[in-house]
Amino acid sequence: AQTVTQSQPEMSVQEAETVTLSCTYDTSESDYYLFWYKQPPSRQMILVIRQEAYKQQNATENRFSVNFQKAAKSFSLKISDSQLGDAAMYFCAYRSSGAGSYQLTFGKGTKLSVIP
Amino acid sequence: NAGVTQTPKFQVLKTGQSMTLQCAQDMNHEYMSWYRQDPGMGLRLIHYSVGAGITDQGEVPNGYNVSRSTTEDFPLRLLSAAPSQTSVYFCASSYLPGSGGIDTQYFGPGTRLTVL
Repeated sequence: AQTVTQSQPEMSVQEAETVTLSCTYDTSESDYYLFWYKQPPSRQMILVIRQEAYKQQNATENRFSVNFQKAAKSFSLKISDSQLGDAAMYFCAYRSSGAGSYQLTFGKGTKLSVIP
Repeated sequence: NAGVTQTPKFQVLKTGQSMTLQCAQDMNHEYMSWYRQDPGMGLRLIHYSVGAGITDQGEVPNGYNVSRSTTEDFPLRLLSAAPSQTSVYFCASSYLPGSGGIDTQYFGPGTRLTVL
């Protein structure tokens, strides 16, 4: 079974600075998908970014980018120019690309605080 | 589109009571799923469905039933509530991989359930 580990339960960043959230995963598969979800205090789960393992290029979405290291099984999220609205729980998630595999496996989350 | 909707937003039950959490989506997604979120545990899959009439168990199915009579609706039933089922419940939906649509999962706003 796949596992996802987020080793930083809490992190903080100054407004306008850059922060990197860590995620590692364990799998024996060669093709899969990785995701970062944001959960603000409203509780809504919001997709931040998606990475397909067969793509070498790191995914980016505006101020959010990932550093995907397939050999190291690492998938970190970088938030640039942090804003107060970035304060939230961030979850890393894995999904197999195999036939019949639709489930997301989540890490335990990292709580990000943004300091004005 | 309303996306994924869940009712109720909050619910308090007594031990032994039964209830149904409702989930509906208007995106014609084949895949629907239920997760529970507990403090420090991330999200864990309870049950999922890949289409009307087809359901299967996830990681933590005990104490929960599901059915899928239509593409749009995927209710979660608690037959005899227990304090261990106190949690936040999320419904999610997506296209199936390989169906032509983007298979990223979209989440509802969640239901906070307390069992006394």
